[in-house]
Amino acid sequence: NAGVTQTPKFQVLKTGQSMTLQCAQDMNHNSMYWYRQDPGMGLRLIYYSASEGTTDKGEVPNGYNVSRLNKREFSLRLESAAPSQTSVYFCASSERGRGSGQPQHFGDGTRLSIL
Amino acid sequence: QKEVEQDPGPLSVPEGAIVSLNCTYSNSAFQYFMWYRQYSRKGPELLMYTYSSGNKEDGRFTAQVDKSSKYISLFIRDSQPSDSATYLCAMSAYIYGGSQGNLIFGKGTKLSVKP
Repeated sequence: NAGVTQTPKFQVLKTGQSMTLQCAQDMNHNSMYWYRQDPGMGLRLIYYSASEGTTDKGEVPNGYNVSRLNKREFSLRLESAAPSQTSVYFCASSERGRGSGQPQHFGDGTRLSIL
Repeated sequence: QKEVEQDPGPLSVPEGAIVSLNCTYSNSAFQYFMWYRQYSRKGPELLMYTYSSGNKEDGRFTAQVDKSSKYISLFIRDSQPSDSATYLCAMSAYIYGGSQGNLIFGKGTKLSVKP
């Protein structure tokens, strides 16, 4: 059972470069999420997608864009990477949306370093 | 006051000890409470899920919720070296669809169980 799959697992970028983090889930979940996890800060929501074609900003959306390509896939794009975006990025999914009380299921993360 | 407070530790215990992990929260609307376990370089993995107040037991793990005190706990009996991980509490309110329904995470407690 794959669950939530994230690619790549590691990436090093230079300041100003762009890249897209990919996420796919095979649990037929409707809702998907992107978080970043930083030491001492915990998990913070970047963007949320309730269903295909809909996205909503989270707590820390600046510098990021997202695309909900279909029900399975939700990508996160950094248009012009900055050192402050060095972090571990996690994608998650749940059957129903936020506020429903349903738990979220996480991928193993993308470790991104921006020089 | 932060919405969810969790002692970051680290917490070191000998194998076989009973471990108590705790979170306090300020939002009385929270009704759904979760504990996630996160191994190094992995994503958070759902460990326990409870709704409203009360206890839930699953093998060596017991989750307790005291809504009157705004306090949740995770107990691990007969702790094993394989329990060494970071434990995250998470909680949300039943406010379907809006940002107030976001899952809010504690910053995590790092646990080490020594053989």
